[in-house]
Order: sequence, then structure tokens, then C-alpha cells
Amino acid sequence: QSVLTQPPSTSGTPGQRVTISCSGTSSNIGTNSVNWYQHLPETAPQLLIYFNNQRPSGVPERFSGSKSGTSASLAISGLQSDDEADYYCVAWDDGLNGWVFGGGTHLTVL
Amino acid sequence: QVQLRESGPGLVKPSQTLSLTCTVSGGSVSSGPNYWSWFRQSAGKGVEWVGRISASETSNYNPSLKSRVTISIDTSKNQFSLMVSSVTAADTAVYYCARDRRAYSYGYGYYYYMDVWGKGTTVTVSS
Repeated sequence: QSVLTQPPSTSGTPGQRVTISCSGTSSNIGTNSVNWYQHLPETAPQLLIYFNNQRPSGVPERFSGSKSGTSASLAISGLQSDDEADYYCVAWDDGLNGWVFGGGTHLTVL
Repeated sequence: QVQLRESGPGLVKPSQTLSLTCTVSGGSVSSGPNYWSWFRQSAGKGVEWVGRISASETSNYNPSLKSRVTISIDTSKNQFSLMVSSVTAADTAVYYCARDRRAYSYGYGYYYYMDVWGKGTTVTVSS
């Protein structure tokens, strides 16, 4: 069971906007920043969002992140078929003194 | 552009030691105040942080694995490595290496994020 809580799956149609939630506690999201990754099978996870809402160069503006209290969310607008993947939230946990992950959300583009 | 690549045996016998290496190209393990991490993901399970090490060999480990895990770094070879002793079927997973990059935000302070990952390597524990 993962320390951070994400819905196991979500879906949307092309052009739609979807959001993925990530719930944690005061020892992780409540205190530290959240990062989001996109992962396709047999590939390296790709950083989408770091420090709650910052996009690395090369990541489209369609991807955005936010954080409030002990929860965070990833929003994807203008959904494309290429966005079909697994998405993970990650945060540092002060109790574990290490990284903790959400269980991952599989996004299906219908 | 920094790239990471995991390598090592794909099959390990129970009770033996799993050994993996992450080779860094396009950059140096010694550059910047970064850490170098290992993660794993078992089939049908979530991603688990294993541990990390800095170029100055400061390390920390997941408490649930600490007694069996050692992470080391070889700056001359631009590599860092993972050893997991006394493996069981529960250690069967895809293992990933990643760079923990340190950044600074005025008013917040230092923070880390994994900005580069390897593609992962599958390790099966079986006799």
C-alpha cells in the first residue's frame, strides 16, 4: 500500500481536461514539495512537474500542478492520445527520511 | 544531456546478493550537490524508494530495507551501485536509478526532485 493516495484510474476524451489527485500527510505533502511523473511501460519515467507547479523545459503548458495543505493535483488540459500513461506523485517524507510515492493513476484517452 | 543506464544480472537465486550498477553518461556523478537514488517496482505494486547516495558518499536508505541494502559510488567510473543481500521472491522487481537534483527557491530553501531516470532493469529472484 502506497504512502500517498491516488485514484487507480481515470479517463477522458481528446481535448478534455482531467485532474489527478494525490493525498498525503503532514510529514510528506504537508511539509515538502510534490513532483509528478509520467511513465510508459519499459521506458524511463519522465518528470512532468517539480516543486508543486514547476514545469521542466520541454513539458507542454497543458500539464500543470498545484498543492494545498496535504493534497496535490495534476491537471492535463487538451487531452491527447499520447497522454495515455501512468502518472505518479512523489514527495519527501520527513518521518521515513526518504521518498514516498502514490500508487499511480492510469489515464485512458477514450 | 545526462542519461542513466542500469545493468546487472536479470536472475538471482534466493538468499544470494543482488548487484546492480547505474552508469551515468553526459554528466558526472561528482558534479553539483546531487544525490543518486535507486527505486524499484514490483509487478502490480507501487514504486518503492530503496536509497540514495551523494558523491561524498553520504547515504540514506529505506528503513524497511536498510539491513540488507548497500549503495556505493565510484566517481572514477562515473557509476553508482546497489547491493541487496539475502534476496527473496519479494525482491523481484524492475529496478530504476535516478538523479536527485538539488535546487533552491528563495523563501523556501533547498529542495530535491528526480529529474533523470534510467529505463529500468528487471531482476527476478528464483531458483
